[in-house]
Amino acid sequence: GAVVSQHPSWVICKSGTSVKIECRSLDFQATTMFWYRQFPKQSLMLMATSNEGSKATYEQGVEKDKFLINHASLTLSTLTVTSAHPEDSSFYICSAKIQGDTEAFFGQGTRLTVV
Amino acid sequence: GQNIDQPTEMTATEGAIVQINCTYQTSGFNGLFWYQQHAGEAPTFLSYNVLDGLEEKGRFSSFLSRSKGYSYLLLKELQMKDSASYLCAVMDSNYQLIWGAGTKLIIKP
Repeated sequence: GAVVSQHPSWVICKSGTSVKIECRSLDFQATTMFWYRQFPKQSLMLMATSNEGSKATYEQGVEKDKFLINHASLTLSTLTVTSAHPEDSSFYICSAKIQGDTEAFFGQGTRLTVV
Repeated sequence: GQNIDQPTEMTATEGAIVQINCTYQTSGFNGLFWYQQHAGEAPTFLSYNVLDGLEEKGRFSSFLSRSKGYSYLLLKELQMKDSASYLCAVMDSNYQLIWGAGTKLIIKP
C-alpha cells in the first residue's frame, strides 16, 4: 500500500513558539492532503483540506492564521502551529489521497505537547 | 446534520467473535470505511464498502446496508492484539470523511 510519512512523531515545545509538522507521500503523488487533530479519547476532527498548489480549506472553528498549511508539491504538505499554547497539545494526523481514489492513507501522527 | 453512531466500548473474550455496529446519517454516500487505531497511533485501514453486502478479509468482515444506513465490522478468532479502537467513517457527497467517535474494544484472556 501507499506510504505516508509524518515527521516528527512527537515534539515538545515552549508556549509561544511555532512548530512545523511535515507530511510526505513517499510512493505516490497526493493531490489532496487532510490534517486532523485528535484529543484523548475523542475521534478525529478534520482541521483542513489542502489541494496541491492552492490554499487550504479550513473547517469551521479552525483558525487559519494559527494553523498554517502549505501544500507546495504533490508529495509534501506542512502544518505549522504558530504561537503554540498548552491547549494546542494534541495528536495531529495527516492523510493523503490521489485524486479520484477513495482511500486516504494516514501518516503515523505527531504528538505535540506545549509546555 | 451528519451523524455517525457506534458504541463507545465493547468487551470480548480471546478466541471469540465480536460485532461492532455503526449507523450513519450523512449528506450523500460514497462509501463506508472501517479503521483500527491503537492508542497513540494513527488509524490503519481495515475495509471499504460502497455496495450492500458482506466483504470478508481474513478474520475481519464488514457489512453494509445503504437503505438502513447501517454497517458492522465482524472480528473472528479474537486475539489480544485486536484490543484497539475501531473507527467507522462515511465518505459524503463532497468526498469528505465523516468520522464516528470510535469503539474501544477490550479483549480479555
